[in-house]
Amino acid sequence: DAGVIQSPRHEVTEMGQEVTLRCKPISGHNSLFWYRQTMMRGLELLIYFNNNVPIDDSGMPEDRFSAKMPNASFSTLKIQPSEPRDSAVYFCASTLRRNTGELFFGEGSRLTVL
Amino acid sequence: GQQVMQIPQYQHVQEGEDFTTYCNSSTTLSNIQWYKQRPGGHPVFLIQLVKSGEVKKQKRLTFQFGEAKKNSSLHITATQTTDVGTYFCAGRIGNEKLTFGTGTRLTIIP
Repeated sequence: DAGVIQSPRHEVTEMGQEVTLRCKPISGHNSLFWYRQTMMRGLELLIYFNNNVPIDDSGMPEDRFSAKMPNASFSTLKIQPSEPRDSAVYFCASTLRRNTGELFFGEGSRLTVL
Repeated sequence: GQQVMQIPQYQHVQEGEDFTTYCNSSTTLSNIQWYKQRPGGHPVFLIQLVKSGEVKKQKRLTFQFGEAKKNSSLHITATQTTDVGTYFCAGRIGNEKLTFGTGTRLTIIP
């Protein structure tokens, strides 16, 4: 079975550019999570969706960040404009049961903003 | 907000020695999960604990959930080089989102 698929795996961009990260959750999973991981702040939950609906976006740093889930098999995390402090590994994860299930993580998208 | 702390932050052990990481929450948890992240990899689910005082074993790994459901531990017996990585606990209050701990990075000296 295919796991959670993220793209791109690596992205290097310049400050001010728009960045779009993509995620395909495991088929049948109805909850999707976006995490950011840095050395300083560890694993931070940015936003999560249940049945394609955003449930909690309190972790989204600021208005430069936005996330969408237009259907059950696709989600995007967009940063516009990007800044050097956004450099991190962004993970997408999905689960079958939002409140009790294990999270299946994608391999992550490593973002470097110069 | 909910905080989940882990200690130690780093642990270096000789191969064959035991390793323990501890997880503490400021509030009572409904369940706790443990994940392992290899260097350069992504977090991978290890186990979930739900009941007060629960103990679960996976080969050389032993997981415990405290009686008050505010703390948990992961103990590895006789570490091997394949155990290298960062171990995270992740706690949940009621039906709220999972909050990940700060992680313990384990390195093994061959």
